[in-house]
This record gives sequence, structure tokens and C-alpha cells, in this order.
Amino acid sequence: QSVVTQPPSASGTPGQRVTISCSGSSSNIGANYVYWYQHLPGTAPKLLIYRNNQRPSGVPDRFSGSKSGTSASLAISGLRSEDEADYYCASWDDSLSSRVFGGGTKLTVL
Amino acid sequence: QVQLQESGPGLVKPSGTLSLTCAVSGDSITSDNWWSWVRQAPGRGLECIGEIYHSGSTNYNPSLKSRVAMSVDKSKNQFSLKLNSVTAADTAVYYCARIATFGDSRGWEKWGQGTLVTVSS
Repeated sequence: QSVVTQPPSASGTPGQRVTISCSGSSSNIGANYVYWYQHLPGTAPKLLIYRNNQRPSGVPDRFSGSKSGTSASLAISGLRSEDEADYYCASWDDSLSSRVFGGGTKLTVL
Repeated sequence: QVQLQESGPGLVKPSGTLSLTCAVSGDSITSDNWWSWVRQAPGRGLECIGEIYHSGSTNYNPSLKSRVAMSVDKSKNQFSLKLNSVTAADTAVYYCARIATFGDSRGWEKWGQGTLVTVSS
């Protein structure tokens, strides 16, 4: 059981905007930056968002991140079929002295 | 462009030791980055195993700490993972990754393709 919680699933239709939440505590998200990853099982995860809301070069601006208190969100606008993947938030946990992932959210594009 | 490639046995016997190596190209293992292992068991999410700096400093997942050891080989520009006393629960795809610095923060940035390790007799 992860110390950071995500909904197990999310869905949307092409063109829609979807949001994936990530809930933690004062020892992880509340005190440290949040990162977001896109993952197709069996492939290398891809960094989407770093430091809460920054996009690496090459990541479309359809992807955006935000953080407030002990929670964070990933928003995907203009949903596309290729966005269908698993999404993970991650942060450092001061109590565990370890990085932690959220449980992951499977995004389905209907 | 940094590349990471995992290698090691795909099958390990229960109670044995899982040993994996990650070869790094396009970056020096002695750069100001941390190097990490992450795994994904079948049907489960990503799990951080731990990370190591070239100085030998480590941070391990508390749930695995008693069974994990990571090391760096500067001469070969690679780092390694050993997980002992394995059980079927350790069956997973194992990824190596670079933890890069982003201003005053660090996070996983580049990943290998992953390697499946099955624990079975």
C-alpha cells in the first residue's frame, strides 16, 4: 500500500480534459516537489512533469501539473488515443528517506 | 543522450540472490546524478527499490532495506543491484534509472527498458 494515493482508473473521450489526482501527506507531497510519469507496461516510463508543474522539452503543453498542500494533479487536455497509459506521481518522503510512487492511474481513452 | 541497459539472469531460485547490472552510456556514473532501481510486479504499480550516488551513499526503500545492496563500478560506468532471500513476490520487471537534478530537486529522469526477473524453482 503506497503512502501516496491515486485513483486506480480514469477515462475520457478524445478532445476532453481529464485530471488525475495524487494525495499524500506532510512528509512527502506537502514538503517536496511532485513528479509525474507516463508508463506503458514493458516500456521505459517517461517523465512528463517535474518540480510540480514544469514540462521537459518535448512534452506537449497538453500536459500540466499543479500542487496544493499535500495533493497534486496532472491535467491532460485535448485527450488523444495515444495518451492511454498508466500515470504515476512521485515524490520524496522525508519520513521514509526514500522516493515514493503513487499507486498509479490507468487512463482509458474511450 | 544517456542510455541505460539492464542485464542479469531472468530466472532466480527462491531464497537465492537476484543480481542485476545497469550499464550507463552517454553520461558518467560519477556525474552529479543519483542512480536508481525501480520494479513493477505483475499487475502492480511502480515501486522504488533504492538509489545510489557514485560516492557509495545510498537510500533504500525501508520495506526492502534488509535485503538490498547497491554498488557502483566506476571503471565500467555501471551500477548494480543485489536482492537476497528472494521469493515469488520479487518477480517483477526491474528498471534502472537516472535521478537528475532539477534546480533544488531531484527526480527520475531517464530509464532503461526494463528486464523481467522471475523467481521460481
